[in-house]
Amino acid sequence: AQSVAQPEDQVNVAEGNPLTVKCTYSVSGNPYLFWYVQYPNRGLQFLLKYITGDNLVKGSYGFEAEFNKSQTSFHLKKPSALVSDSALYFCAVRVNDYKLSFGAGTTVTVRA
Amino acid sequence: DGGITQSPKYLFRKEGQNVTLSCEQNLNHDAMYWYRQDPGQGLRLIYYSQIVNDFQKGDIAEGYSVSREKKESFPLTVTSAQKNPTAFYLCASSIETGPDTQYFGPGTRLTVL
Repeated sequence: AQSVAQPEDQVNVAEGNPLTVKCTYSVSGNPYLFWYVQYPNRGLQFLLKYITGDNLVKGSYGFEAEFNKSQTSFHLKKPSALVSDSALYFCAVRVNDYKLSFGAGTTVTVRA
Repeated sequence: DGGITQSPKYLFRKEGQNVTLSCEQNLNHDAMYWYRQDPGQGLRLIYYSQIVNDFQKGDIAEGYSVSREKKESFPLTVTSAQKNPTAFYLCASSIETGPDTQYFGPGTRLTVL
């Protein structure tokens, strides 16, 4: 079954340091992978997606993600974190034509 | 949150009552979705609709019902048969089903008193 896993419930970084949020996937065939961010009591905001092509995907708000087929990973990265990046981050994989399978989420806290 | 609106933002329900959550989109998207979010569990698909007058059950449809009479509207009814309805409900839409990105509304938090 198509699924993703986010191995870290929480990530804590200092402002200005690099931020990485990990995601691994398990799929048959080519994966369609997504990252979303959620601020408290808000809906999910789309950050970026990998369908095919370059392994490094650039998205909104300075985020990027690296698709690694050999390690079945799709980690989200930001070179210099901001306090305003503190939020809940979800990785997702398309299971079929209508369904996304979401990870449990990773809470990111960026301290000033 | 783009062109997807959900109302109300907060909803309180007494046990045994049905309630309807509204979802409207002005993105001209064909496909619409309802998800339920519980702490630490990610999002789970309740229902989806690929086109007007058609909808399909997702993974946790029991105790819920939907309609799709207009392209822009996809209301969700939480019935009294739903045993644990307290949750955050998210509506989403995409141009069509397939690899298209799903865009989400701001959500409705339902609390059963």
